[in-house]
Amino acid sequence: SQQGEEDPQALSIQEGENATMNCSYKTSINNLQWYRQNSGRGLVHLILIRSNEREKHSGRLRVTLDTSKKSSSLLITASRAADTASYFCATSKHGNQFYFGTGTSLTVIP
Amino acid sequence: GAGVSQSPSNKVTEKGKDVELRCDPISGHTALYWYRQRLGQGLEFLIYFQGNSAPDKSGLPSDRFSAERTGESVSTLTIQRTQQEDSAVYLCASSLGGLYSNQPQHFGDGTRLSIL
Repeated sequence: SQQGEEDPQALSIQEGENATMNCSYKTSINNLQWYRQNSGRGLVHLILIRSNEREKHSGRLRVTLDTSKKSSSLLITASRAADTASYFCATSKHGNQFYFGTGTSLTVIP
Repeated sequence: GAGVSQSPSNKVTEKGKDVELRCDPISGHTALYWYRQRLGQGLEFLIYFQGNSAPDKSGLPSDRFSAERTGESVSTLTIQRTQQEDSAVYLCASSLGGLYSNQPQHFGDGTRLSIL
């Protein structure tokens, strides 16, 4: 399966701490995207990183991509209670469908 | 300027009945995707429409599942003779371009389907 896998499955931190979650995938990709899902809602796109990029920033988010290890990480700095959600990575390979991982459930404790 | 809209938001039906789920994508978005998400799980790809091209139906789990899209507008996902394992949230997403375009997907809030 080409499906990405996030790690850890669940993460609980105190407000203000940084949260790091990882995504591993199995085949070559065109790009990798991170999405967030609040309970009972659809997914919201956070950031896209292309296969020729190694790092990307957006506000408190930092994404890295290591194509040699087929892995990506999402770092959320200075976490807030409102960051509590599930986070998914999705990979796309040259026109094939998107493959979503099983997600990391993040809980930020106020 | 609404986002992706799905209806109904919740659907409870008896095993064996047919159900039809609707998705209104963002205006101008040529690509439309359907996914299934079981409780606590990731997203399972079902079908992908891109403009007037033939849809990619490779994710449909059985011939009880079908989907249509009229041009670049509304899409309906139909499940015939529903089974209990069909219980899940069905999510629809649209994007400006297709899979080659590196465009993000915009999701609706899903239809929560419960089969009794």
